[in-house]
Amino acid sequence: ETGVTQTPRHLVMGMTNKKSLKCEQHLGHNAMYWYKQSAKKPLELMFVYSLEERVENNSVPSRFSPECPNSSHLFLHLHTLQPEDSALYLCASSQDGSTAASPLHFGNGTRLTVT
Amino acid sequence: LAKTTQPISMDSYEGQEVNITCSHNNIATNDYITWYQQFPSQGPRFIIQGYKTKVTNEVASLFIPADRKSSTLSLPRVSLSDTAVYYCLVVMNTGFQKLVFGTGTRLLVSP
Repeated sequence: ETGVTQTPRHLVMGMTNKKSLKCEQHLGHNAMYWYKQSAKKPLELMFVYSLEERVENNSVPSRFSPECPNSSHLFLHLHTLQPEDSALYLCASSQDGSTAASPLHFGNGTRLTVT
Repeated sequence: LAKTTQPISMDSYEGQEVNITCSHNNIATNDYITWYQQFPSQGPRFIIQGYKTKVTNEVASLFIPADRKSSTLSLPRVSLSDTAVYYCLVVMNTGFQKLVFGTGTRLLVSP
């Protein structure tokens, strides 16, 4: 149990579908993150929220739309994705994103396949 | 953020000590060194963090020389379950964190 729960674990969607990834953290943290990990590539930071405000948007295409309704929940809404968007999408949280004494706690990810 | 360089892969056998070295020549005065471990199809897991000299916890030890331009993650007596990718990161002590993961070191432990 990582304290960060992601659903679904696996998702297959067509390019015209709309789906959402969900992340929930049970750690009382104030910052939440979305990372993308493609095959044989480093993790790419996509979005960062601190106290429900987006503080980082790493030039991510608009077909990815994050939502953070409260400090415990984070969503990634997906629409009209491309096959190259197939990857492991990881959610993470941290107590306070502004200090070094705040390591990231990751969920186990959603394995997304776009057909 | 200071760039880190670490070996792409390492091989070891069960019971051996494994040392993974990371170079971070441009580390700033207030930066910390942090290591994460990632198993296949899982998110990375924080292992250890340090600023200087030596830090030890139940999982690993982290050695940081005085110039702090490199660090070594030491895993004592590895087992098959230590097969994973290990990431070295330099983390700012101030300002919002924008952690950048490199390609990491893929450790393979064999029987």
